[in-house]
Amino acid sequence: QVQLVESGGGVVQPGRSQRLSCAASGFTFSSYPMHWVRQAPGKGLEWVAVISKDGDYEYSADSLKGRITISRDNSKNTLYLQMNSLRDEDTAVYYCARVLQEGTQLWLPPDYWGRGTLVTVSS
Amino acid sequence: EIVMTQSPAALSVSPGERATLSCRASQGVSSNFAWYQQKPGQAPRLLIYGASTRATGIPVRFSGSGSGTDFTLTISSLQSEDSAVYYCQQYSYWPLTFGGGTKVEIK
Repeated sequence: QVQLVESGGGVVQPGRSQRLSCAASGFTFSSYPMHWVRQAPGKGLEWVAVISKDGDYEYSADSLKGRITISRDNSKNTLYLQMNSLRDEDTAVYYCARVLQEGTQLWLPPDYWGRGTLVTVSS
Repeated sequence: EIVMTQSPAALSVSPGERATLSCRASQGVSSNFAWYQQKPGQAPRLLIYGASTRATGIPVRFSGSGSGTDFTLTISSLQSEDSAVYYCQQYSYWPLTFGGGTKVEIK
């Protein structure tokens, strides 16, 4: 069965960096684009970024451009999110999620989601 | 960016009754539109994509309609397990954007 397990969350000071990972299993990881979506405590969903199946293409939220990098290692079945210059408002649960269909349509919605990892930005 | 506006913010419906949730996009997104359900402490679950196609395993009581700017999610006969927050999303334009959510409670 499809499994997505995020890790790397925790408490981080403002201005510091954090790298999140998402380990995928149960499907051919290299065939699917992947999303990151976040959710601040008690708030709604916010799309963060998406990466193509081979890592050649990526799109990210305008508010995060320049501070985040989405990447993947298909040999390790792992998705990453590098976040820099963290701010209080980056405090959220970060979910990785698989695009609905294998292939090149990065924009498709995600069907499988991990349970998320909580990043708390606080001094 | 496309702004997605959901209404109402909250809805209380008796078991067995119909629930109707709305979402409006600030500009046309064709049928590149999805609905999600999220229960407390859980990840979102894809219900509907392509505005009206049920995702795998989604009960037939969930149906989606609309295109362009106005979309509707209908739960035909509300069950207790349908208590959740429902989010809409457009995937026609970058950045992808979500609505603010509608909380559905069971009376």
